[in-house]
Amino acid sequence: GENVEQHPSTLSVQEGDSAVIKCTYSDSASNYFPWYKQELGKRPQLIIDIRSNVGEKKDQRIAVTLNKTAKHFSLHITETQPEDSAVYFCAASRGDYKLSFGAGTTVTVRA
Amino acid sequence: NAGVTQTPKFQVLKTGQSMTLQCAQDMNHNSMYWYRQDPGMGLRLIYYSASEGTTDKGEVPNGYNVSRLNKREFSLRLESAAPSQTSVYFCAATGRDTYNEQFFGPGTRLTVL
Repeated sequence: GENVEQHPSTLSVQEGDSAVIKCTYSDSASNYFPWYKQELGKRPQLIIDIRSNVGEKKDQRIAVTLNKTAKHFSLHITETQPEDSAVYFCAASRGDYKLSFGAGTTVTVRA
Repeated sequence: NAGVTQTPKFQVLKTGQSMTLQCAQDMNHNSMYWYRQDPGMGLRLIYYSASEGTTDKGEVPNGYNVSRLNKREFSLRLESAAPSQTSVYFCAATGRDTYNEQFFGPGTRLTVL
């Protein structure tokens, strides 16, 4: 099945700096790549997603890039704020409604 | 519109006890899922139900059973709990009209002693 690797496992950034999280996937048939944010003690929530026919997608301070040839995708958060502190999960799907998740990245934004 | 709800929020079991985790959604979604979340391991799929009347194993199904009672409800049963099943369990739902976005319930924190 699909194997998704996520790096780094922890990331500490100064408020206002950028944060980048990278994921690789194994199944070349995967065509949907969402990112979920999970605040402490809360449920995961979708923050952005990208499909295989698009190379980049942006929503305010967050953006996702996809390189299908290399089978990797990344989340970029610019101008980080304290409320960006959370665990972020990448995931991949073949379009069969099943998601394979990465192990997560704990992001801490230092004031 | 509550979205996805789960009961109970917390549970402590002794080894060998059984219990059922309940999940319900009011979004009229076809597909429902059960995940477990352990530190450093992300979300791992236990079982899923692509549509009412069907269930399939996910990545870590051993020790669990599921029932898709109707379109709204999807339950997870532990027949004989083991300490290795200590985890946070999330239910999720998705539909064709949400283009694969999965909506998660609030989670159940289970401890098996």
